[in-house]
Amino acid sequence: DTEVTQTPKHLVMGMTNKKSLKCEQHMGHRAMYWYKQKAKKPPELMFVYSYEKLSINESVPSRFSPECPNSSLLNLHLHALQPEDSALYLCASSQDTSQPQHFGDGTRLSIL
Amino acid sequence: AQSVTQPDIHITVSEGASLELRCNYSYGATPYLFWYVQSPGQGLQLLLKYFSGDTLVQGIKGFEAEFKRSQSSFNLRKPSVHWSDAAEYFCAVAPSLEAAGNKLTFGGGTRVLVKP
Repeated sequence: DTEVTQTPKHLVMGMTNKKSLKCEQHMGHRAMYWYKQKAKKPPELMFVYSYEKLSINESVPSRFSPECPNSSLLNLHLHALQPEDSALYLCASSQDTSQPQHFGDGTRLSIL
Repeated sequence: AQSVTQPDIHITVSEGASLELRCNYSYGATPYLFWYVQSPGQGLQLLLKYFSGDTLVQGIKGFEAEFKRSQSSFNLRKPSVHWSDAAEYFCAVAPSLEAAGNKLTFGGGTRVLVKP
């Protein structure tokens, strides 16, 4: 069982929809991350939040909008996605950015 | 920039046999090294990490890894594989302690299949 909880587990949406992915952890971690993982590929870092502030944006298109409302929650707001955005989206957290990351089980996103 | 290579895309091993997964990294200084495992439909689980000290690192689930600076390698081993070890394994590197959480670079992964 993972201590990083991601919802929903699966999401199917059209290209004009707006949806959000949610990530929650109660380990007191102060760094949280979003990754994108395509099939048979390693995860690719998208965003890093450190102490609720965005510290890294890996040149992610603006149709992905992260939000960190508090130290336990991390959201990824989605709007006007493209079919190539279909992937597994993984959330991770760590005590701070110097410590190893703990991953959630991901949200499998399909764009129609 | 650092890079990680996992030369084996697939490995098939019989249950009870030993397993070794190769990982080679490219980085100018001593990096911070990790092995993660990903079971189908799940996220990544940290098996072990190397930051400094003893070059033979013990991890969870009976795995160990050995850091060899001269070979720029961090190979993962398990003496006796169980069917539940069938999964995708990722080696990862970070350039510094401060960046361990930030800038993980993953290898391409090795898929392990376990035969009965």
